[in-house]
Amino acid sequence: DGGITQSPKYLFRKEGQNVTLSCEQNLNHDAMYWYRQDPGQGLRLIYYSQIVNDFQKGDIAEGYSVSREKKESFPLTVTSAQKNPTAFYLCASSRVQGLDQPQHFGDGTRLSIL
Amino acid sequence: KQEVTQIPAALSVPEGENLVLNCSFTDSAIYNLQWFRQDPGKGLTSLLLIQSSQREQTSGRLNASLDKSSGRSTLYIAASQPGDSATYLCAAPSGSARQLTFGSGTQLTVLP
Repeated sequence: DGGITQSPKYLFRKEGQNVTLSCEQNLNHDAMYWYRQDPGQGLRLIYYSQIVNDFQKGDIAEGYSVSREKKESFPLTVTSAQKNPTAFYLCASSRVQGLDQPQHFGDGTRLSIL
Repeated sequence: KQEVTQIPAALSVPEGENLVLNCSFTDSAIYNLQWFRQDPGKGLTSLLLIQSSQREQTSGRLNASLDKSSGRSTLYIAASQPGDSATYLCAAPSGSARQLTFGSGTQLTVLP
C-alpha cells in the first residue's frame, strides 16, 4: 500500500539534544512538508520541499533543519535551539508542487521533553 | 496574510442529525480550499478539495461548498454517525507564499 510513514511514533528529547524525525513516502510525490500541531490549534508549516535537494522555510523554521537528498525521504531535525519542541509533528506530501493537489499525511510523531 | 477561522470549536449532536461545519478565510484570492478529518493522535485525511471554479464538491454523505466572495466554506454532513466523530479542519492557500493555512478545527462528537 502506498503511503507516508513517520517514525518514531513517540520521541523524548533531553535538554541540549538534537533529535531527528523520519518521514518516508512511497507515493512518488515531488513535494513534501513538515507541520507542527499544538493542542487545540491548527497546523503550522515548518519547512517544505518541492523537489530533491531543494527546500524552503515555512512560518516557524527557527530551531529546525531538514534535508531532501532522496525523493522519498524528508527528515526533520529538532535542534537544541528550539526551546519549546513539545508538539505533534506531521509530515505530508503532494503529487506536484502546486497547491491544487491534495496533501497526504503520515500518522505523526509526538515529541516530548524529558 | 491568509487567516482561517473555524466556528464552533466543538460540536456535539445526536446520531442521525444533519450538520454544518463552518470555515471562513480572509484572502478570497484562493484557487482551492481543502477539508480534512483528524482522528485523535492521528494524521490528517483529505476529505474534499474544492477548486475555485467549483461551488460544491460531494463525497458520499459529505458536501462541501465554497463562496469566495464571502470568504466562506461549509462542510455539510448528512445523517451523522458515531464514526463521524473526529476533528475537522479546513485549509486555504496563502497567496503567493504557496503554503496552506489551516484553521484550528471543529471537534465533532456524534452521540449514539
